[in-house]
Amino acid sequence: NAGVMQNPRHLVRRRGQEARLRCSPMKGHSHVYWYRQLPEEGLKFMVYLQKENIIDESGMPKERFSAEFPKEGPSILRIQQVVRGDSAAYFCASSRTDYSNQPQHFGDGTRLSIL
Amino acid sequence: AQTVTQSQPEMSVQEAETVTLSCTYDTSESDYYLFWYKQPPSRQMILVIRQEAYKQQNATENRFSVNFQKAAKSFSLKISDSQLGDAAMYFCAYRSGNYGGSQGNLIFGKGTKLSVKP
Repeated sequence: NAGVMQNPRHLVRRRGQEARLRCSPMKGHSHVYWYRQLPEEGLKFMVYLQKENIIDESGMPKERFSAEFPKEGPSILRIQQVVRGDSAAYFCASSRTDYSNQPQHFGDGTRLSIL
Repeated sequence: AQTVTQSQPEMSVQEAETVTLSCTYDTSESDYYLFWYKQPPSRQMILVIRQEAYKQQNATENRFSVNFQKAAKSFSLKISDSQLGDAAMYFCAYRSGNYGGSQGNLIFGKGTKLSVKP
């Protein structure tokens, strides 16, 4: 059973470009969480999605960031007009349900570097 | 709001010895879950162990065990018989026990970097 798949593993963008990060949850999982990890920091929650719905985006910056989880295909985290401060590792996690006792399984992350 | 604090930025242990990583948290909730995740240099986030707050018995997973002190809001991780492969960042995390919705996300500490000396 494949784990959470994130791609690309590394992404380099110049300031002002767009970054698209993809996450395919584990089979049978319909709940996706995105986290951001700045250097020397722990992970910080960004957004929680179920299929076609954003449940909680309280951790998302108000501008330039958006996320979706369409009925078909992976979840996408999109960052428009990237800036140096967006450089970080972005992790996706999935779970089968939203019950709190269900563990979240993490992907290997996407390391975003802004030139 | 809930917070998680890991007061040890770095720890070191001799191979085969035992080490304890500290974690404290702050919450007004009575129902919640606590986790320890391991992040090796490969950057994977690997679930090491979890504890349900309603359970008094401390969780154990092979060489990993926790000391959960609910009244003190403390959740330390003990690694016995340390191995070179245990070297990694270790993150303590909290999750609300409220059903679903906006309480579903994990709240992480800043991590402890564990080095294992041969």
